[in-house]
Amino acid sequence: DVKVTQSSRYLVKRTGEKVFLECVQDMDHENMFWYRQDPGLGLRLIYFSYDVKMKEKGDIPEGYSVSREKKERFSLILESASTNQTSMYLCASRRGQGNEKLFFGSGTQLSVL
Amino acid sequence: SQQGEEDPQALSIQEGENATMNCSYKTSINNLQWYRQNSGRGLVHLILIRSNEREKHSGRLRVTLDTSKKSSSLLITASRAADTASYFCATGSTGGFKTIFGAGTRLFVKA
Repeated sequence: DVKVTQSSRYLVKRTGEKVFLECVQDMDHENMFWYRQDPGLGLRLIYFSYDVKMKEKGDIPEGYSVSREKKERFSLILESASTNQTSMYLCASRRGQGNEKLFFGSGTQLSVL
Repeated sequence: SQQGEEDPQALSIQEGENATMNCSYKTSINNLQWYRQNSGRGLVHLILIRSNEREKHSGRLRVTLDTSKKSSSLLITASRAADTASYFCATGSTGGFKTIFGAGTRLFVKA
């Protein structure tokens, strides 16, 4: 089975800090995604990447950036964390094209104080 | 933008009963997927139905798709306490990369 690993289960950061969320997948998937999940809003796409060094904005990219230097690793960066970025962050990966099924990590619950 | 919308938002049933969740979406799709999320965890893919399919089964799961009404339903038969979770529908558009999720249905199965 595909394994998608997120580096932290829980994170507590202070306003203004630079935050790195790391995600690694072990199945050579081309596509990787970062979502945030908030109660009542479902999952919203922040950024995705379809190849190494390639990235595309999702629906809510403001305040975030991403890095994909290696195929297996996709990092989400909060340049200057704010309290409204307190959320559950979910990384996912998928092979090829065609909107096939996503494989998710366990999530990182980020609290910004 | 939120594509899928699940109904109901929450559902509470007894063990052994069937649970039905509905999903509506707005634009043309090439497939529709259902995912499950246990509390505080990542999502797990349950089933995918393509736009040219009307019904699909997987174990105790039955999914229907009506593209004319832009709607889908997920039926879980003979529910168990372990089915307690949130269920999300998600849609993928033709030629696109994005998978768009709804807000989910919270299912609680009482033992």
